[in-house]
Amino acid sequence: NAGVTQTPKFRILKIGQSMTLQCTQDMNHNYMYWYRQDPGMGLKLIYYSVGAGITDKGEVPNGYNVSRSTTEDFPLRLELAAPSQTSVYFCASSKVLETQYFGPGTRLLVL
Amino acid sequence: DQQVKQNSPSLSVQEGRISILNCDYTNSMFDYFLWYKKYPAEGPTFLISISSIKDKNEDGRFTVFLNKSAKHLSLHIVPSQPGDSAVYFCATRTQTGANNLFFGTGTRLTVIP
Repeated sequence: NAGVTQTPKFRILKIGQSMTLQCTQDMNHNYMYWYRQDPGMGLKLIYYSVGAGITDKGEVPNGYNVSRSTTEDFPLRLELAAPSQTSVYFCASSKVLETQYFGPGTRLLVL
Repeated sequence: DQQVKQNSPSLSVQEGRISILNCDYTNSMFDYFLWYKKYPAEGPTFLISISSIKDKNEDGRFTVFLNKSAKHLSLHIVPSQPGDSAVYFCATRTQTGANNLFFGTGTRLTVIP
């Protein structure tokens, strides 16, 4: 039982490049989330999804896009990477109004 | 605008003693509160939670206290163990949010053997 998995673990991007952060969960959870954590700060919600085909913005959605075509997968897309997007990205999943389970994170450096 | 605040970035405690981590919030609509624990290079893991209808919840060595009038919650760890050394985040949500969590900035706990 893998829980929530994220790939890659670490990535360096140049300004203006694009990439997709992958997130997969095997717990059949309806809800999935993307957070970012900047140094010395708490996690902030980027986007979330309450089920396949349904996504919505969180606190800090600018510069990101998401899609949810299956229950298991919730990829996060960065179209034009900027230094302000240097952060650690965490994916999480949960059943409705229950505890969120987090993946190990993707560390992204934009230079 | 930080709605959830953990004013102590770090805390050091001797093994066997009590650790008390504090958290303050500003929004009275928050109705469910959680503590997460995070080790380096790992994601946060759930530790303990409390609903706004309670003022205390206990799970083994961990107890969370909620003071709604002061908009304050705390996590007590007794006795503290070296394996408890980690960053602790408090988090909260509202009834109307889709389980969206608002996190504090974290407190790094170091338990000294």
